[in-house]
Amino acid sequence: RKEVEQDPGPFNVPEGATVAFNCTYSNSASQSFFWYRQDCRKEPKLLMSVYSSGNEDGRFTAQLNRASQYISLLIRDSKLSDSATYLCVVNTNAGKSTFGDGTTLTVKP
Amino acid sequence: NAGVTQTPKFRILKIGQSMTLQCAQDMNHNYMYWYRQDPGMGLKLIYYSVGAGITDKGEVPNGYNVSRSTTEDFPLRLELAAPSQTSVYFCASTYDQGGTDTQYFGPGTRLTVL
Repeated sequence: RKEVEQDPGPFNVPEGATVAFNCTYSNSASQSFFWYRQDCRKEPKLLMSVYSSGNEDGRFTAQLNRASQYISLLIRDSKLSDSATYLCVVNTNAGKSTFGDGTTLTVKP
Repeated sequence: NAGVTQTPKFRILKIGQSMTLQCAQDMNHNYMYWYRQDPGMGLKLIYYSVGAGITDKGEVPNGYNVSRSTTEDFPLRLELAAPSQTSVYFCASTYDQGGTDTQYFGPGTRLTVL
């Protein structure tokens, strides 16, 4: 079993749709959680950190469920510019970082 | 700040050749990472370092070596290149506080082994 597993995708949605991505992790010692965005095999860039209380940044909402070892990302009112691959990342407090394989989103007009 | 820089951007190697991928950061970050990304896959951790003189293996260390003699530099060495090492290599750094901080990535090195 992979340490971090994401929805395989791809997701193809119309503009304005709401889309949700899921991610599970197996290491109960995991401490920090993130969503990164990657465009066309360029370098990944941080989209948002994920906190236990849940957090929101504009159209993006991230949730963490430590008991179920589950992370989610919700994108509301999808834009064409949201088309990218979304990577779930889980860190231990020893600095080791594990990435999921990514979920590809294509937003169509 | 230049951030995280990687050289070269592209390289073609023949089987059995060696090379060093360079990575440098000017943000005084203590943690640095090397990842590889194969087509359609996520990033796999090769090696990481929590500070100068300290390195540790990640998920896929075989065929690679690293050193961290300074805070700024974290080179990745391929000793005997194999076609399975064809990939995109990303270096990243962070000022880690127990794994809570953002990683900043370099632009990547695209390596082909023929």
